[in-house]
Amino acid sequence: GNSVTQMEGPVTLSEEAFLTINCTYTATGYPSLFWYVQYPGEGLQLLLKATKADDKGSNKGFEATYRKETTSFHLEKGSVQVSDSAVYFCAFMDTGRRALTFGSGTRLQVQP
Amino acid sequence: EADIYQTPRYLVIGTGKKITLECSQTMGHDKMYWYQQDPGMELHLIHYSYGVNSTEKGDLSSESTVSRIRTEHFPLTLESARPSHTSQYLCASSPWGDEAFFGQGTRLTVV
Repeated sequence: GNSVTQMEGPVTLSEEAFLTINCTYTATGYPSLFWYVQYPGEGLQLLLKATKADDKGSNKGFEATYRKETTSFHLEKGSVQVSDSAVYFCAFMDTGRRALTFGSGTRLQVQP
Repeated sequence: EADIYQTPRYLVIGTGKKITLECSQTMGHDKMYWYQQDPGMELHLIHYSYGVNSTEKGDLSSESTVSRIRTEHFPLTLESARPSHTSQYLCASSPWGDEAFFGQGTRLTVV
């Protein structure tokens, strides 16, 4: 069935370190892919998205590239900040019922 | 800026009580959703709607019910709350086939 597998956390980094959070998906067709971020006590906010193969989504220094051949959408940032500490969710839009399927979330903790 | 609102933000209620969690959006989106987020962070789709008078059950079996009488409003009701219903509930809306916008969530505790 359709699913998203993402890297387990927590991921603990020092400020200015490089970040990668891996995400792979299993889905029918070529769905749109998303990364959402959740700050403590808040709902989810869209971080970036890609709608077709080889598209690169980017926002606030974060990037992810839609890789059809490896069914992956890994999140990267070159230099993390303490303010990036949050939970990150990879997701795709199910083309059948038009609802988001999420990964289990990865908690990122950035230390000063 | 997305305009989707959930009330209340926090709710503590006794077992057996009936509760309704409110969700409203001002964007005119047809698709709306309810997700349940467990303490381990995972998000589970419990209900969704394609538009007025449309409701569908999601992946996770839930004792809650929903209604969609107006485009902008998608309330979730628990007829008899139990401690197992303690969770965070997130409402979202989406223009057809595009990204979803989330409310801030309702954290429900049933004692």
